[in-house]
Amino acid sequence: DVKVTQSSRYLVKRTGEKVFLECVQDMDHENMFWYRQDPGLGLRLIYFSYDVKMKEKGDIPEGYSVSREKKERFSLILESASTNQTSMYLCASRNSGGGEQFFGPGTRLTVL
Amino acid sequence: AQKITQTQPGMFVQEKEAVTLDCTYDTSDQSYGLFWYKQPSSGEMIFLIYQGSYDEQNATEGRYSLNFQKARKSANLVISASQLGDSAMYFCAMREGDSNDYKLSFGAGTTVTVRA
Repeated sequence: DVKVTQSSRYLVKRTGEKVFLECVQDMDHENMFWYRQDPGLGLRLIYFSYDVKMKEKGDIPEGYSVSREKKERFSLILESASTNQTSMYLCASRNSGGGEQFFGPGTRLTVL
Repeated sequence: AQKITQTQPGMFVQEKEAVTLDCTYDTSDQSYGLFWYKQPSSGEMIFLIYQGSYDEQNATEGRYSLNFQKARKSANLVISASQLGDSAMYFCAMREGDSNDYKLSFGAGTTVTVRA
């Protein structure tokens, strides 16, 4: 069974903390994505990576950075967490040839 | 401008009945793809169905069918014979360009509640 896993289902952090969200996929997919999901706004793309060490900004990259050192792992970093980054974060992966994106279970992050 | 519009925030449907979820899209590309995802309360997004802009037939997957009306730029999802397990949030999404393009644009979602 194909899998995208995320390091935490729930996370509570303090304002100003550095936060790491980890995503691992076992499908050997080239493309990986980080989204945030907020009520009434659907999913918005933060960053994506089309290959190892490659990354591109999505629609809302401000306040975030990413790292992809290995094909199976894509990390989202909040350098200095703020309360407006409280959200659900979803990771996804996809084959470079197209097709649907496969999603992880999500991390619900609360920044106090 | 919104690329994907889902105008129904929430819907109720009786078990065993069909339900149609609306989705309209905005693109000037000739090549694009439309996706529907289901998100149960557990949070994970589950892929349901895909329609390519050049596909002449409407896509179907089991109880799911996509009513694709290209001229009207609509891609409505029809769920037949609703089950209690269909209660979830449903998202319409679009990929502009060909299949090598990466980005998906998502709508705001529609919450479906199936009543027994």
